Amino acid sequence: EAAVTQSPRNKVTVTGGNVTLSCRQTNSHNYMYWYRQDTGHGLRLIHYSYGAGNLQIGDVPDGYKATRTTQEDFFLLLELASPSQTSLYFCASSDRGRDTQYFGPGTRLLVL
Amino acid sequence: QQQVRQSPQSLTVWEGETAILNCSYENSAFDYFPWYQQFPGEGPALLIAIRSVSDKKEDGGFTIFFNKREKNLSLHIKDSQPGDSATYFCAASHDSGYNKLTFGKGTVLLVSP
Repeated sequence: EAAVTQSPRNKVTVTGGNVTLSCRQTNSHNYMYWYRQDTGHGLRLIHYSYGAGNLQIGDVPDGYKATRTTQEDFFLLLELASPSQTSLYFCASSDRGRDTQYFGPGTRLLVL
Repeated sequence: QQQVRQSPQSLTVWEGETAILNCSYENSAFDYFPWYQQFPGEGPALLIAIRSVSDKKEDGGFTIFFNKREKNLSLHIKDSQPGDSATYFCAASHDSGYNKLTFGKGTVLLVSP
């Protein structure tokens, strides 16, 4: 089974702060995804990537940057965090775009 | 625009009953529909999936019924157990959909003993 880890698991920052969320997958999957989960909105795709150096825009990209440095590592960057970005963030990976997505345990972010 | 809609938002059934979770979609190009199950404190995990060439898919006590003409599908959980209490997400994708899934907002299922 695919292993996807995220760090940190919890993060508190202030408005205007700089936050980096990390994701690593160890099954050499090609695709990696960043989602946010909010009550009443379900899972919404922020950014995704199909390989190192590649980045695709998701459905709710505003205020977020992402970078895929290696096959294993995908980072989500919030350069000027706002309270509206308080959320539960999930990373996922899949071998091919329409294959099963394997999710990490999530990072809970609070922006004060 | 909500492309994938789920109903109800929450559902409570008694242990042993069949829980029925509904999903509808707008984009006729969608042809792959996975359901993901999420327990509190965990990430979602694939439960069962169906492709639009089929009208039914079974896996253990979980069955998807798919109606292409009406653009809807439902997940039936037979003989529900308290351990099935979770949030269930319907998702959809299409072949030219840039390899991404569109998720519904989820249904929270509670199975009471």
